[in-house]
Amino acid sequence: KNQVEQSPQSLIILEGKNCTLQCNYTVSPFSNLRWYKQDTGRGPVSLTIMTFSENTKSNGRYTATLDADTKQSSLHITASQLSDSASYICVVSENRDDKIIFGKGTRLHILP
Amino acid sequence: NAGVTQTPKFQVLKTGQSMTLQCAQDMNHNSMYWYRQDPGMGLRLIYYSASEGTTDKGEVPNGYNVSRLNKREFSLRLESAAPSQTSVYFCASWPGQGYEQYFGPGTRLTVT
Repeated sequence: KNQVEQSPQSLIILEGKNCTLQCNYTVSPFSNLRWYKQDTGRGPVSLTIMTFSENTKSNGRYTATLDADTKQSSLHITASQLSDSASYICVVSENRDDKIIFGKGTRLHILP
Repeated sequence: NAGVTQTPKFQVLKTGQSMTLQCAQDMNHNSMYWYRQDPGMGLRLIYYSASEGTTDKGEVPNGYNVSRLNKREFSLRLESAAPSQTSVYFCASWPGQGYEQYFGPGTRLTVT
């Protein structure tokens, strides 16, 4: 069964610190992997999208990595800010039937 | 360019009542989706429409119906609301493989 597993479930860090969120998937055949940020009470917003041939992509202080061989991705947040407090969702697409599979998300809390 | 819009933002229903959630996108995307999001469950697909005139069931379709009225609009109907349908509902549109989904702001539905 195609699955997307994220860890940790929740994370609390101090403002200014770095953190890394993990995503493991079993989706096959793989098309692409996306990270979304979802603020409380809002819809998810895309941060990065990576295809099979890409192993890193940055969006400001957010850097996503992808290892298609081990089927793992990470999202690294540098110099965290209070506005980074949100849920981060890993989403993987199958390369057939346009099927999209969501992880359950990591809830990140940034403390001042 | 408003992106994906949803109405209403909030709704309270009594068990057995019916209602329709509206979704519209102005990005000329072919595919549209309805998800529900419950605490600890992540986003779960209810129904989707790959193109105007077609709809397909997702992971949790029971108790819901959909209509793809035209390319812009995709509505979700609850014929007889149940407390188990208390959730936040998100509509999304998608231009196709290799691109991100675009989400609406959500509808928070409570069924008492």
